[in-house]
Amino acid sequence: DGGITQSPKYLFRKEGQNVTLSCEQNLNHDAMYWYRQDPGQGLRLIYYSQIVNDFQKGDIAEGYSVSREKKESFPLTVTSAQKNPTAFYLCASSQGSRVDRGELFFGEGSRLTVL
Amino acid sequence: DAKTTQPPSMDCAEGRAANLPCNHSTISGNEYVYWYRQIHSQGPQYIIHGLKNNETNEMASLIITEDRKSSTLILPHATLRDTAVYYCIVRFPTSGTYKYIFGTGTRLKVLA
Repeated sequence: DGGITQSPKYLFRKEGQNVTLSCEQNLNHDAMYWYRQDPGQGLRLIYYSQIVNDFQKGDIAEGYSVSREKKESFPLTVTSAQKNPTAFYLCASSQGSRVDRGELFFGEGSRLTVL
Repeated sequence: DAKTTQPPSMDCAEGRAANLPCNHSTISGNEYVYWYRQIHSQGPQYIIHGLKNNETNEMASLIITEDRKSSTLILPHATLRDTAVYYCIVRFPTSGTYKYIFGTGTRLKVLA
């Protein structure tokens, strides 16, 4: 079935360690996105990418890094520079500018807890 | 970037229509309004979207004011399963693709 797969679903790390969250999609979508959600809050955009080997910072990119080496994959690294990394991370994709509807499809999320 | 404002919470009786408002007073002419809902911290699910005309699908109706500064999502016959957080989102073009800006959402509780 087509969709977005995020892994791991739950992750615990010690403070100061870098962590990489995986996001894979088989929807043949051009655009991919990473959002962060804190308890009781909305989603905030971290990074987005419209094409392979190109990506842009969102509203809260500090302390995060991404890569887009393949169309299907958009991993997010939470670095030790991120002050408050404990959060729920959501990956999404869309067909980008090719179509008007532009619906965002989301993965099931990764919950990161820094101890 | 256009921002959205929503009431933090609403209650609705089961079987009645749920009307969820959203203010997007800074929206520009080519920016779409999308609605998503999120249940139990799962990934948000698409409900409906529109530009300036009212829209209806099997899940809901979207009413956009003529000046496009606000919209209302209508769930015609709310059920207990509709209890969720509902997000009103503005999508705007940027750098060859689109950005989707989420508000803080409305927590809808459907009461039996």
